[in-house]
Amino acid sequence: SQQGEEDPQALSIQEGENATMNCSYKTSINNLQWYRQNSGRGLVHLILIRSNEREKHSGRLRVTLDTSKKSSSLLITASRAADTASYFCATDRRSGNTPLVFGKGTRLSVIA
Amino acid sequence: DVKVTQSSRYLVKRTGEKVFLECVQDMDHENMFWYRQDPGLGLRLIYFSYDVKMKEKGDIPEGYSVSREKKERFSLILESASTNQTSMYLCASSLSPGTNYGYTFGSGTRLTVV
Repeated sequence: SQQGEEDPQALSIQEGENATMNCSYKTSINNLQWYRQNSGRGLVHLILIRSNEREKHSGRLRVTLDTSKKSSSLLITASRAADTASYFCATDRRSGNTPLVFGKGTRLSVIA
Repeated sequence: DVKVTQSSRYLVKRTGEKVFLECVQDMDHENMFWYRQDPGLGLRLIYFSYDVKMKEKGDIPEGYSVSREKKERFSLILESASTNQTSMYLCASSLSPGTNYGYTFGSGTRLTVV
């Protein structure tokens, strides 16, 4: 089944630096979503970008979408220790009413 | 604060037991989902439901069943628990068909089958 794949698998940065995570997917989508998961907890929805959008901002988050390359990136600016978590991209499988398919995630560690 | 509530955070069951994982949402969402999460495998969809008494198989339904008798409640049933069903189970809900809205997840149930 279609699945977003995040890159890198793990990322370690210093507090105050920017963190960039990438997601690639295989087939056409309606939209792409990013989620965050703190250790051992449920996922929290961060941002949704539609297939006709190229960039979206939410606070310190910036998401881009390149449908020609079937890829998306999530940028967290001025990272904080509290941003330490796993980040997942999720896509629908095709046009229509189908559940989200999640990637395996990027584990971000922000060192104070 | 709207939320999805999973009945247990941690659960230990014996092989062969019938296990019920309960999920309740208070947002009047149409859609509900059960995923399991395993290291290196990410989230995998077990079952989902777009309406009361409706259910659809996901990618890994074997060994599981579900029940949705009321809109707010979606139960996952392990008919005869096995050790390979040891996992983190995540319930989610969303507002409408399709993926135009984000999913709201519960805190997860970490199930250990011994």
